[in-house]
Amino acid sequence: AQSVAQPEDQVNVAEGNPLTVKCTYSVSGNPYLFWYVQYPNRGLQFLLKYITGDNLVKGSYGFEAEFNKSQTSFHLKKPSALVSDSALYFCAVRDEGNTDKLIFGTGTRLQVFP
Amino acid sequence: GAGVSQSPSNKVTEKGKDVELRCDPISGHTALYWYRQSLGQGLEFLIYFQGNSAPDKSGLPSDRFSAERTGGSVSTLTIQRTQQEDSAVYLCASSLVSGVNTGELFFGEGSRLTVL
Repeated sequence: AQSVAQPEDQVNVAEGNPLTVKCTYSVSGNPYLFWYVQYPNRGLQFLLKYITGDNLVKGSYGFEAEFNKSQTSFHLKKPSALVSDSALYFCAVRDEGNTDKLIFGTGTRLQVFP
Repeated sequence: GAGVSQSPSNKVTEKGKDVELRCDPISGHTALYWYRQSLGQGLEFLIYFQGNSAPDKSGLPSDRFSAERTGGSVSTLTIQRTQQEDSAVYLCASSLVSGVNTGELFFGEGSRLTVL
């Protein structure tokens, strides 16, 4: 079965510093991987995805993620964090079968301090 | 509307009562999903609709939970005889299910259910 793991419940970073939010995956077949963000009292928003092609994927709000097949990871990164990036981040993998059903991780709360 | 609309945004009910949660997806989106978000539990898949049919109901936690979708549009999630462990935020999402946009789900803001 497809699954993702987010090993960190919370990540703290100072504004202006680079940030990384970790995600590892377990799949059968080729992985379709995603990052979503949830701002306080808001629904989830799509950030970026990896389907195929370049291992470095660029998304919204200056975020990017690196697909690493050998380490089965898909970490979310940003070179310079903003206080407004503080939110809950979810990694997800598309389930098997011809649907867009996503299996989500447990989420990582990112706190960016001024 | 432009986005996925869910109602009510907040619902407080007493244990044992039935509740209905409504989702109005983005016009033209053929796929509709219900997820549940509990504190510290991440997002739990409940059910998936393609059109009016539900090929995947594997996430419904018990037979107290049911959902339907009519006209390929609005969906209702019904919880019968609510229990305190049903307290959560219920999220609805829709998508086009097309190749280039695969996995890009559009979420509503959720319905927060509190069972006393």
